[in-house]
Amino acid sequence: QQQVKQSPQSLIVQKGGISIINCAYENTAFDYFPWYQQFPGKGPALLIAIRPDVSEKKEGRFTISFNKSAKQFSLHIMDSQPGDSATYFCAASMGASGSRLTFGEGTQLTVNP
Amino acid sequence: DAGVTQSPTHLIKTRGQHVTLRCSPISGHKSVSWYQQVLGQGPQFIFQYYEKEERGRGNFPDRFSARQFPNYSSELNVNALLLGDSALYLCASSGRPGLQETQYFGPGTRLLVL
Repeated sequence: QQQVKQSPQSLIVQKGGISIINCAYENTAFDYFPWYQQFPGKGPALLIAIRPDVSEKKEGRFTISFNKSAKQFSLHIMDSQPGDSATYFCAASMGASGSRLTFGEGTQLTVNP
Repeated sequence: DAGVTQSPTHLIKTRGQHVTLRCSPISGHKSVSWYQQVLGQGPQFIFQYYEKEERGRGNFPDRFSARQFPNYSSELNVNALLLGDSALYLCASSGRPGLQETQYFGPGTRLLVL
C-alpha cells in the first residue's frame, strides 16, 4: 500500500537551475512531512520538514511548499549545485504512530556542471 | 560526536540462514527504528523500540524480530532468509518516539541473500 507517491523518478538539472520534486499523500492523518537526502553508501539525512499548519518553509536554498487541500507537497532546490546530486525522499508520519516514517519512492537528482 | 553506527557494513548469506544486524544509537538517544530499503525504493518501516519496548511494527513477517538492550543499542534478527530479503537495512535513532523528533539514520547494513 503506497501512501506517499513521489515524482519524478529521476531529474536532470543544469547548475544554477531550480530542481522541483513533488509528493502526494493519501492518509489525511499524516501531520509531519520531512524530506531526506541520501548519497550513495550513506543513510538518509534530514534536509527540511514541514507541518500542515504552514504552506511554505524555507531553509537556505531548500523550500517546501505544502497544499493541504490537494494533499500534495513539494521540494524546491534553488540554484542547484553539482553537490546536490543525490537521491531525495519525501516522507510522512502521524503523531499517533510516533516516529514511524512512510517514504516515497525517491527521486534521483543529477545536477550537471 | 559519533552518529548512528551499524554493523556489519556488508553481509552475504544463503537462503534459509539466519542473520543478526546491530545498531548503536547516538549517545543519549533512547529510541531506535529499523527500516528496509530495497534497491531503487524508499525505506520501509520494520520496527521501533523505545526504552527496550516495542512501540511499533511494520508489515513484515514474523521471521523479522528485534530487541533493544539496556544501553539502547538494538539488534534486528531475520530467520529463514529469502532472496527477497536482500536490501539495505537502516537503523535510525531519536531522543524519543514522537512527532517532529528528527530521526538520524546510520549508513546501513547491505545484506545479500544468495
